[in-house]
Amino acid sequence: DAGVTQSPTHLIKTRGQHVTLRCSPISGHKSVSWYQQVLGQGPQFIFQYYEKEERGRGNFPDRFSARQFPNYSSELNVNALLLGDSALYLCASSLLSGRAYEQYFGPGTRLTVT
Amino acid sequence: RKEVEQDPGPFNVPEGATVAFNCTYSNSASQSFFWYRQDCRKEPKLLMSVYSSGNEDGRFTAQLNRASQYISLLIRDSKLSDSATYLCVVKTHNNDMRFGAGTRLTVKP
Repeated sequence: DAGVTQSPTHLIKTRGQHVTLRCSPISGHKSVSWYQQVLGQGPQFIFQYYEKEERGRGNFPDRFSARQFPNYSSELNVNALLLGDSALYLCASSLLSGRAYEQYFGPGTRLTVT
Repeated sequence: RKEVEQDPGPFNVPEGATVAFNCTYSNSASQSFFWYRQDCRKEPKLLMSVYSSGNEDGRFTAQLNRASQYISLLIRDSKLSDSATYLCVVKTHNNDMRFGAGTRLTVKP
């Protein structure tokens, strides 16, 4: 079975531009979460979506937005890119939301903002 | 104070050694707990969930102490392939997954 897939693998953007990152969860998983990981730190939670609804939001500015589609795939959008947005963006899927669930990560999209 | 704190290491141990990692969390309402491992420039991979009664998976043992808000991971008989960064993860009631910064382990021959 295919794991979580993300596209693109790498991306280089200029300050002020916007970017769209894509994620396809493991088949049967209905929850998708997005994380930002900068070098030397653990992943920072951005959003969680479950059944196409936002179920959680981390401490990120409104320049960050996301959505989940009927097939449970997801997009993360970042507007007005800043140099500090350069990071590895990880998508994770899980079977269900709620009290206990285990997340499985995709390989990530490495974004460089110049 | 960070919500999830780990000793960053690095821990350098010989093959066959036993090594323990600790993690503390600040939110007493935290509901679920996990250990992930992350290899250099790779995505985190789930190692194990941590249950209240403690749990074991082969050479790996995880413990949870809710009163002290403390999680531990014990690795016995370390292998070279155990070299990685180990991330402590805490899930809060609002589905927010908080990661520690990770503890780096290097197992040497």
